[in-house]
Amino acid sequence: GQQLNQSPQSMFIQEGEDVSMNCTSSSIFNTWLWYKQDPGEGPVLLIALYKAGELTSNGRLTAQFGITRKDSFLNISASIPSDVGIYFCAGLHPNAGNMLTFGGGTRLMVKP
Amino acid sequence: NAGVTQTPKFRILKIGQSMTLQCAQDMNHNYMYWYRQDPGMGLKLIYYSVGAGITDKGEVPNGYNVSRSTTEDFPLRLELAAPSQTSVYFCASSYDTSGELFFGEGSRLTVL
Repeated sequence: GQQLNQSPQSMFIQEGEDVSMNCTSSSIFNTWLWYKQDPGEGPVLLIALYKAGELTSNGRLTAQFGITRKDSFLNISASIPSDVGIYFCAGLHPNAGNMLTFGGGTRLMVKP
Repeated sequence: NAGVTQTPKFRILKIGQSMTLQCAQDMNHNYMYWYRQDPGMGLKLIYYSVGAGITDKGEVPNGYNVSRSTTEDFPLRLELAAPSQTSVYFCASSYDTSGELFFGEGSRLTVL
């Protein structure tokens, strides 16, 4: 099956810093999505990307659908303590129907 | 609006016992999913359903069963619990096949 390699696995940053994480694959994907999971909760959708090269923002979050369709990145600007959580990338492969493939997650910790 | 509701939130099982994880959604979504989350491993799809009466296997279906008798409910059954099924289970639903999923809060299952 398809695999998504997400990096870094964890980050410990100072409040106010910018954050960047990415997701790569050897396969192409038609859709890239970024979810955030707060401790003890289910994942919540942050950003969805449907077109190669697409750059989309949601407040302090910006994500891009790589032009090769094999990668995506998520940036968070001016981090705040409530940004703490696990960020997952997910992709829809052309041959996978409606089955999402998830990356292993990036655990973000923010020091006030 | 409750969204996706999972019960129970926590459960401890002995090896060989059986149980059902309940999932209900009130958004009239056709698509429903069961995922398991193991530490550092992201989310793996167990089973999914594209509508009442239709279910299909995901990536890791062994040891589980599902049914979808109504649009709202999608229970997950474990027949003979094994320690390898210790995990956090998430139910999700979606309106379409865009990948935009709504998750429940999760059910933490421990098999001893």
